[in-house]
Amino acid sequence: DAGVIQSPRHEVTEMGQEVTLRCKPISGHDYLFWYRQTMMRGLELLIYFNNNVPIDDSGMPEDRFSAKMPNASFSTLKIQPSEPRDSAVYFCASSLSPRQGPNYGYTFGSGTRLTVV
Amino acid sequence: AQSVAQPEDQVNVAEGNPLTVKCTYSVSGNPYLFWYVQYPNRGLQFLLKYITGDNLVKGSYGFEAEFNKSQTSFHLKKPSALVSDSALYFCAVRDRGYSTLTFGKGTMLLVSP
Repeated sequence: DAGVIQSPRHEVTEMGQEVTLRCKPISGHDYLFWYRQTMMRGLELLIYFNNNVPIDDSGMPEDRFSAKMPNASFSTLKIQPSEPRDSAVYFCASSLSPRQGPNYGYTFGSGTRLTVV
Repeated sequence: AQSVAQPEDQVNVAEGNPLTVKCTYSVSGNPYLFWYVQYPNRGLQFLLKYITGDNLVKGSYGFEAEFNKSQTSFHLKKPSALVSDSALYFCAVRDRGYSTLTFGKGTMLLVSP
């Protein structure tokens, strides 16, 4: 398996533009997580899905952020409109269900470094 | 609720010396515990985990961690540090009644030559 795949690796956009980040989880993983990492706030959980259904989006900073998971192999995180304070590294991670026991653990993608100018 | 604390923002150690990165946790039940490492411009990578059994867990790159239930700790250790171990280390916990991991804020490990 190629692991969790995120695209693009780097994104530079102008303030006010729409940004879409993409994630392909590991096949067979039931859970998908979106994180944001900044120097100031560290690693923040934005939202997570179980079997393509959003379970907890309390970490989404505001209405400009939205996430979807139309099927088990694809998820997007969209920011519209983008602002300079959204500049961060965004990670996607996936995992098996915790009910599947000891193999539970997250596999992270390499991240998307977003710069909003 | 579940939580994890990494009391040190940064740990400095000389190459060849032993290293310890501290982690304490709080859960209402029995924990699953994890360590992840993040190298510059990379995602988090799994190092090791404690599920049950032997309190000393061995993982990748010569790292190990000791689960101490009475002290609610899961410190990461390595007998002899390498410069290439320099990275950001995250401890994470999951109470067996929860669906998700809770991550600590991370500890930067700097190994000097």
